[in-house]
Amino acid sequence: ELKVEQNPLFLSMQEGKNYTIYCNYSTTSDRLYWYRQDPGKSLESLFVLLSNGAVKQEGRLMASLDTKARLSTLHITAAVHDLSATYFCAGRGLNSGYALNFGKGTSLLVTP
Amino acid sequence: NAGVTQTPKFRVLKTGQSMTLLCAQDMNHEYMYWYRQDPGMGLRLIHYSVGEGTTAKGEVPDGYNVSRLKKQNFLLGLESAAPSQTSVYFCASRPPIPSDTQYFGPGTRLTVL
Repeated sequence: ELKVEQNPLFLSMQEGKNYTIYCNYSTTSDRLYWYRQDPGKSLESLFVLLSNGAVKQEGRLMASLDTKARLSTLHITAAVHDLSATYFCAGRGLNSGYALNFGKGTSLLVTP
Repeated sequence: NAGVTQTPKFRVLKTGQSMTLLCAQDMNHEYMYWYRQDPGMGLRLIHYSVGEGTTAKGEVPDGYNVSRLKKQNFLLGLESAAPSQTSVYFCASRPPIPSDTQYFGPGTRLTVL
């Protein structure tokens, strides 16, 4: 069964700083997803990473995937308050109808 | 095109009551899923369906039943609600493989007293 672990679970950072969220997964996952969730809202898709070495960037967020290490990272550059949210990574297992297996989420707070 | 919709948005039940959550999608997707989200736990798969008339258990199926009588609808039932089922429930759907996208509904916040 695919297990997904994120760290840190809580992150408070100052505006303008850089930081990385890590996502480890236990077995083969043919896709790696990153989602954002604002309080009381649904999940917003950020990135889907398909293969080893994949890197995707959108604004101040950059995601990468290392399938050999079973590791994905979400790098935040020059954080701004609007990035405050909970970020989830998820792997797609090969069973369960290609359902997603989620990490516990990283709650990010960006302060002035 | 409404995407994935969920009914109701909020509900409060007493222990032992029953209810059905409705998920509807207008994208002609085969695959549909029910997840629950609890604080600090991420989302966990309850049941899923790979097509009309089919359902299967996910990671946390106990206390829930599902039905997929029509392709566009996926119903989640609680026969006898328990406080442990207090959660936010998300429905999702996806097109066939090799599509990568999974579309999530807005969620149903359920409280069981």
